Amino acid sequence: DGGITQSPKYLFRKEGQNVTLSCEQNLNHDAMYWYRQDPGQGLRLIYYSQIVNDFQKGDIAEGYSVSREKKESFPLTVTSAQKNPTAFYLCASDRGNSNQPQHFGDGTRLSIL
Amino acid sequence: SQKIEQNSEALNIQEGKTATLTCNYTNYSPAYLQWYRQDPGRGPVFLLLIRENEKEKRKERLKVTFDTTLKQSLFHITASQPADSATYLCALDIKAAGNKLTFGGGTRVLVKP
Repeated sequence: DGGITQSPKYLFRKEGQNVTLSCEQNLNHDAMYWYRQDPGQGLRLIYYSQIVNDFQKGDIAEGYSVSREKKESFPLTVTSAQKNPTAFYLCASDRGNSNQPQHFGDGTRLSIL
Repeated sequence: SQKIEQNSEALNIQEGKTATLTCNYTNYSPAYLQWYRQDPGRGPVFLLLIRENEKEKRKERLKVTFDTTLKQSLFHITASQPADSATYLCALDIKAAGNKLTFGGGTRVLVKP
């Protein structure tokens, strides 16, 4: 079955440490997205990529970095510069055109040790 | 920027009744609006998309309306079942920005048997 796989499900970060969240899709989608979700709040866009080797900042990109070396993969690095990283991180993909539903992974919950 | 308001209070409803959720937006009218379902600890799942020139859309027991004059969408779950208990998110497109979406904070629905 096609879908989006995020790993790990749970992740713990120490102070001053960078951590990388994995996102892989086998839907042959061109566009991929990273969102952050805090309790009781909507999804906020961190970064998105509409094509391989290209990506754009979303609304809350500070303290995060991404890469898009392959169509299937869009890893997110939470750097030590992100002072409040505790959140639920969601990866999504779609065909890149308007009016397309986004397909989501089941998220990674990041906590601070 | 586009702002979206969904009722942050949980909606408690008796099984068999109709649940009605509201999504209000400010600023410009989106070209389309989407509704997603999210279960605890999971990623959102796409339910319905309605375009600005459509007044109503149905899918099984779900119905969505879109009133661009009121800047509002209503989401109805008819003959609700305990399995419908979840958080429901609305999302709007961001004009001239590919398929970027702005999400509301979601409304939690609890259907009691």
